[in-house]
Amino acid sequence: DGGITQSPKYLFRKEGQNVTLSCEQNLNHDAMYWYRQDPGQGLRLIYYSQIVNDFQKGDIAEGYSVSREKKESFPLTVTSAQKNPTAFYLCASSIQGGWNTEAFFGQGTRLTVV
Amino acid sequence: QQQVKQSPQSLIVQKGGIPIINCAYENTAFDYFPWYQQFPGKGPALLIAIRPDVSEKKEGRFTISFNKSAKQFSLHIMDSQPGDSATYFCAAATSGSRLTFGEGTQLTVNP
Repeated sequence: DGGITQSPKYLFRKEGQNVTLSCEQNLNHDAMYWYRQDPGQGLRLIYYSQIVNDFQKGDIAEGYSVSREKKESFPLTVTSAQKNPTAFYLCASSIQGGWNTEAFFGQGTRLTVV
Repeated sequence: QQQVKQSPQSLIVQKGGIPIINCAYENTAFDYFPWYQQFPGKGPALLIAIRPDVSEKKEGRFTISFNKSAKQFSLHIMDSQPGDSATYFCAAATSGSRLTFGEGTQLTVNP
């Protein structure tokens, strides 16, 4: 089955720790994205990558980092610099770099700071 | 200018009713207007999308109405069912500008 796989589904982080969220896709899509979802705020773009070894900051990149070493993978690290990391994180991909095409989303990772 | 404003924030209808969710945008360059449906604990999935060369698009019980002059578009769900209960997001983009999402509408369809 083709799709986007995010892991883990639930993640708990202690104060001051970095954590990495995994995102893998087997759709052969060029572009991949990370969004953060908070209640009543829609989806906010954290980082995006339109090609391997290249990525750009979105609207709320502070406290996050990414890498794109392989076409299929786009991991997101939530660093200790992110002051309010508790949220639902969504990874997405699309077939080309243009924004006006369908985005396919993973099932999300719910991160909670304990 | 990149904002997409969505209303209402929440909506409750009875089974068989026709919920309507509205979105407004400012950027006249937007040329792609999708709607995404999200069930609790899941990622959003594309429901239906429209481009500005048409004023209406139907897919099953879901219809997008598009008013280019007013810079508004809306989602209508005909004969709504309890299984339609979900959060709905509108969005807008151009090929060169990022997908901008509305704030979301939580729809509840009561049996």
